[in-house]
Amino acid sequence: EVQLVESGGGLVKPGGSLRLSCAASGFTFSNYSMNWVRQAPGKGLEWVSSIDKSSTYIYYADSVKGRFTISRDNAKNSLYLQVNSLRAEDTALYYCARGSRLTGDYNYWGQGTLVTVSS
Amino acid sequence: DIQMTQSPSSLSASVGDRVTITCRASQGISNNLAWFQQKPGRPPKSLIYAASSLQSGVPSKFSGSGSGTDFTLTISSLQPEDFATYYCQQYNSYPLTFGGGTKVEIK
Repeated sequence: EVQLVESGGGLVKPGGSLRLSCAASGFTFSNYSMNWVRQAPGKGLEWVSSIDKSSTYIYYADSVKGRFTISRDNAKNSLYLQVNSLRAEDTALYYCARGSRLTGDYNYWGQGTLVTVSS
Repeated sequence: DIQMTQSPSSLSASVGDRVTITCRASQGISNNLAWFQQKPGRPPKSLIYAASSLQSGVPSKFSGSGSGTDFTLTISSLQPEDFATYYCQQYNSYPLTFGGGTKVEIK
């Protein structure tokens, strides 16, 4: 069974940092592109970042470029999102999702980890 | 960036109704469109990809159509478990973008 489990969220002050993790199991992690998508409380879905299976191709939303860094460790079946210089508008539930733009098959999502940015 | 506009933003329908949700892209995206269903407190669930391909395990009451800039998601006979928010997403190019969502409520 495919499982994606996020962790690392929490309450942080503006300007602070966190490292979000996504532990993958039930599939060959190194064969799949991975993504981070966030959802502010009561709002819609916003794509944040994508990374291909070998970390060769990485993409970011303009709203997080220069502040967030996506990475993966295929040996540990893990996806990461380093989030720096946090702002109130980064407050959201952060989901990791398996999927590739080449297939459009974003069919597995974790339960999300909540990041709250507040003083 | 490609903007995705969903309509309506909300609708009220009865069990058994046929429901259609529309998604329009600000530029052509071929058939690179997905539909997701999200219930409160749950992650999104993939329903359709490539505009009209049903995800494994998704009931056939869901169908998608369209190409280019105009797309639709149809639920043929609304059931209680279908009351949720639906999102379209284009994956033709980065940045990936979602529609604003359509909340389907019970009439």
